[in-house]
Amino acid sequence: DIQMTQSPSSLSASVGDRVTITCRASQGISNYLAWYQQKPGKVPKLLIYAASTLQSGVPSRFSGSGSGTDFTLTISSLQPEDVATYYCQKYNSAPFTFGPGTKVDIK
Amino acid sequence: QVQLQESGPGLVKPSETLSLTCTVSGGSISSYYWSWIRQPPGKGLEWIGYIYYSGSTNYNPSLKSRVTISVDTSKNQFSLKLSSVTAADTAVYYCARGTGVVESWGQGTLVTVSS
Repeated sequence: DIQMTQSPSSLSASVGDRVTITCRASQGISNYLAWYQQKPGKVPKLLIYAASTLQSGVPSRFSGSGSGTDFTLTISSLQPEDVATYYCQKYNSAPFTFGPGTKVDIK
Repeated sequence: QVQLQESGPGLVKPSETLSLTCTVSGGSISSYYWSWIRQPPGKGLEWIGYIYYSGSTNYNPSLKSRVTISVDTSKNQFSLKLSSVTAADTAVYYCARGTGVVESWGQGTLVTVSS
């Protein structure tokens, strides 16, 4: 099965900073990658699918890129409400494995 | 806007079978894929499996021998059964619409495995 890794596992940044999270697949998955945001105590929320397509209603400061094995989620200007854990998920074929998550907080 | 609600026992004894049902409202269960995903306390997300409204299924190989997902279109519900549970199966269990692109989630229900 394809394994998903994320880096860093956690980060602390200031409001307004540009934040980048990396997700890597152990084998190529084309662009079959989604990103989710999970705020503390809340249900995960779909942010991006097809590696770079923003889900309706998601702020434009979020963006995704990548294809094959390497992907990134970027928050262009970190806001207090972005404090959350971010997960990538592959969906080219089952099992639809999630990455281990990246916890983002405010410095 | 489709809504999903998990229901079932919050406490299950070791070696027994965990059973949960997801009720879908605000839309038909037909023509979509439906998934179960779990999250142990303080840990990450694990995809358990999905079912299509027609009944076809796909399970995580790590759980395949213990998992059964079924659908009841007449009740707009789908269900999860996980057999021979251990403490490692303690988690918040989410039902969701979709497979790899999950747009709609239930609120989640905590299931604790303990005697």
